[in-house]
Amino acid sequence: QSVLTQPPSVSGAPGQRVTISCTGSSSNIGAGNDVHWYQHLPGTAPKLIIYDNNNRPSGVPDRFSGSKSDTSASLAITGLQAEDEADYYCQSYDRSLSGRVFGGGTKLTVL
Amino acid sequence: EVQLVESGGGLIQAGGSLRLSCAASGFTFSNSDMHWVRQSIGKGLEWVSAIGPIDDTYYSGSVKGRFTISREVAENSLYLQMTSLRAGDTAVYYCVRERVGGGIGAFDLWGRGTLVTVSS
Repeated sequence: QSVLTQPPSVSGAPGQRVTISCTGSSSNIGAGNDVHWYQHLPGTAPKLIIYDNNNRPSGVPDRFSGSKSDTSASLAITGLQAEDEADYYCQSYDRSLSGRVFGGGTKLTVL
Repeated sequence: EVQLVESGGGLIQAGGSLRLSCAASGFTFSNSDMHWVRQSIGKGLEWVSAIGPIDDTYYSGSVKGRFTISREVAENSLYLQMTSLRAGDTAVYYCVRERVGGGIGAFDLWGRGTLVTVSS
C-alpha cells in the first residue's frame, strides 16, 4: 500500500489527452511538499519529467504538464504518442515518515 | 559524461550482507544529496536511504538499523551496506542524485540499477 495513491492504469489513443492523478494526505502533499513525476520504461533508468509540481526539465516536451491542489497532484499528457507508453510515478516527502514517498505507479497504454 | 553506475548486486542468502557501490562522474559529487531507491519485481519504486553533503543520513523504516549509507568524496563513490538481508529486500537498487535547488528536491539523475536477489 503506497502512501501516495495512483490509478494502476490509464490508456488513450494517439493524439489524445490523458491525466494521471496522485492522491496524498495532510502529511505529504497537503503539507505543502512539492510533487515530482517520473517516467519509467522497464529495463531503463527512471526519468524525471516534472519537478516542483509543474516544472519541466530541459528536453522534456511541453506535452507533459503537472499541477497540484490541496492533497493531490496530476500529470497531464497531451498529443499522446506511442513512445509515451511507460510507467509513471509521482513522488513527494512525508513528514510523518520523515522520508520520500512514491505513488504505486500508473501504467500508460497508448492504444 | 554525467552519470551514475551501480555495482555490487548479486545473489545472497537471507541473513547475509552485501555492499552496493555507485560511481559518480561528470558533476560535483561532494555538493550533492544522494539517495538509494529500489524497485521489487513487479512493484513500484521505494525510497531507501539518503545522505547529505555533511554526511547526514536518512533511512526508510523498512531498512533502518539494517542498512548504512555512506560516501567517499575522494573517490566520487556512494555506498549502501546491507545487513540482515530478507527476501523482501530483493529488488533492483538505483543510485540517484537529488536536484540542486533548495528544499526537498526531485531526483534528476538515476543509474541503471543493480539487482539484489535474497534467497530464503
